[in-house]
Formats: sequence, structure tokens, C-alpha cells
Amino acid sequence: EVQLVESGGGLVQPGGSLKLSCAASGFMFSSYEMNWVRQAPGKGLEWVSYISSSGSPIYYADSVKVRFTISRDNAKNSLYLQMNSLRPEDTAVYYCARSSGSYWGYFDYWGQGILVTVSS
Amino acid sequence: DIQMTQSPSSVSASVGDRVTITCRASQGISSWLAWYQQKPGKAPKFLLFAAPNLQTWAPSRFSGSGSGTEFTLTISSLQPGDFATYYCQQANSFPLTFGGGTKVEIK
Repeated sequence: EVQLVESGGGLVQPGGSLKLSCAASGFMFSSYEMNWVRQAPGKGLEWVSYISSSGSPIYYADSVKVRFTISRDNAKNSLYLQMNSLRPEDTAVYYCARSSGSYWGYFDYWGQGILVTVSS
Repeated sequence: DIQMTQSPSSVSASVGDRVTITCRASQGISSWLAWYQQKPGKAPKFLLFAAPNLQTWAPSRFSGSGSGTEFTLTISSLQPGDFATYYCQQANSFPLTFGGGTKVEIK
């Protein structure tokens, strides 16, 4: 069974940093592209970042470019999102999502999500 | 960036009703479109892709169609478990973008 479990969320002050992790199991992690998708409270879905199975290429939404860094450790079956210079508008539930094996652009499995709150 | 526009933003319907949701892309995306279902407090679930391709968990009352810039998701006979928010997403190019969502509510 495919499982994606996010961790590392919480409350952080504006300008602060946080690192999210996503532990993957039930599939060959090193063979799949991965993504982060977020959802602000009461709002819709926003794609944040993509990383290929090998770690390159990487893509970001303009709203997080330069401030966020996606990475992965295939030996540890883990995906990460380093978030710096956090802003109140980054407050959201962050989901780790696997790209479908048949096509990179679809998200076929999602984690349960982790809440990040940016507030003073 | 490709903008995705869904309509309606919400719909009230009864069990057994036929519901159609429309998704429009600001430029052509061929058939590179996915639909997701999200229930309150839960992660989205991958429903179907490239218009007609339904995921194995999804009942056959769900169907998708369209290509280019206009797409539809149809629920042929609404069931209690279908009350949720539905999102379309273009998978043609980065940045990947979602529609604003359509909330299907009980009438």
C-alpha cells in the first residue's frame, strides 16, 4: 500500500524557516517524481514544487521560487521542502504528492497533509 | 502560466441528480487534464485523467470529456458519497495549475 506521511509542520514567525519531510513507503520511491502541493485555509489547491526521480530537474511555483527548496533522499525514501523567509500567505496545509507513473503531471497519491502556520 | 477556470463554483443537487462541472483552460492543453475529489479535512483523491480515464477506485458514474481548452466532469447519478469539492488541474506544462474548485452540496 502506498503511504506518504508528512512531518515538520507547525507555527513559525514571519521571516522564519521550517523544513517539511515526507516519508514514503509501499512503492519504489526512487522511480517516481514527487511534488509538494498546498492549500491555504478554506482555499483551493496550489502546486508548489516538483522534483524528478533523480533529483533533477526541479520546478517551483513563482510564489515560492528562491525561498523554498525541494530535495529528496532516495536511500531514505524521503522527500523534503526547506522553506525560508516565510510569509503569512504561506500558511497552508502542505501535501506531499506522488506523480503518476504513467505521466509526471498527475498526482496519483497524496499524504494526509501537514499544517504550516506563519504568524507572529 | 495556464489559468484554469471552473464553473460553477458550487452546485446544490439531490441524490440521483446528474451533475456536470466545466473546466476551461486559458490556452490549449490537449488532453492533459486531471480531476480530483476532496472531502472536508481529507487529502484530494485522483479521480480521472486525460478526459476519459477513470481511476480504479472511482465508480463508473463519473466520466470526463473534452480536449483543448474545454473539459467536463459528469456525475451521472449523484450518490451520498459524492458530496465533495472537485478540482481540475492542467498537466500540460509547469507551473501546474488547478481550477478554483466546485463544491457539490446536498440540496
